[in-house]
Amino acid sequence: QKEVEQDPGPLSVPEGAIVSLNCTYSNSAFQYFMWYRQYSRKGPELLMYTYSSGNKEDGRFTAQVDKSSKYISLFIRDSQPSDSATYLCAMSDPLESRQGGKLIFGQGTELSVKP
Amino acid sequence: EAEVAQSPRYKITEKSQAVAFWCDPISGHATLYWYRQILGQGPELLVQFQDESVVDDSQLPKDRFSAERLKGVDSTLKIQPAELGDSAMYLCASSLEQDTGELFFGEGSRLTVL
Repeated sequence: QKEVEQDPGPLSVPEGAIVSLNCTYSNSAFQYFMWYRQYSRKGPELLMYTYSSGNKEDGRFTAQVDKSSKYISLFIRDSQPSDSATYLCAMSDPLESRQGGKLIFGQGTELSVKP
Repeated sequence: EAEVAQSPRYKITEKSQAVAFWCDPISGHATLYWYRQILGQGPELLVQFQDESVVDDSQLPKDRFSAERLKGVDSTLKIQPAELGDSAMYLCASSLEQDTGELFFGEGSRLTVL
């Protein structure tokens, strides 16, 4: 079983829809949780960043972390065709990170928003 | 806007040949990472540098892969000899802080091994 599981999709929605992207994880030591957006043939770009549990909102994007369920979500409101990309969740253990440890990524969910 | 620079963007090579990728991180970022992303999967860490020192290379196939960051600035990742299974996107990233996970990625170098 992978440490981070993410539904690969693809997910296709009409413009204006609310999109929900999710990841589950198994390592309870994870404290930093991130969502990256990756356009085709590009490198990932950081979209949202949260520490520990709770919600964080940035414009049309909301990130939620539920550590008790080991479940994180990204919601996109009023989705636009320009949101079409692959969305990667990522997380890290701060103790391991201080020792030079790594960001663990999900496999990515491919999203297509149709005009 | 500061960016992580990578070259080449695309590389096609035959198996058993040597390939090299170059990365120039954002100025002032002491931590540099090389990730490998196979099509349809998330990136996986190959090696992490703090300045010129390797901090984590536990997932680097050391029999054929090598990485260096001699002056603590730019970095080179080499594969020799290349194998068919090495076909992937090789991503370089840098960060200001080592332990927060806020990585800034370059556009990647896509390798195809024939």
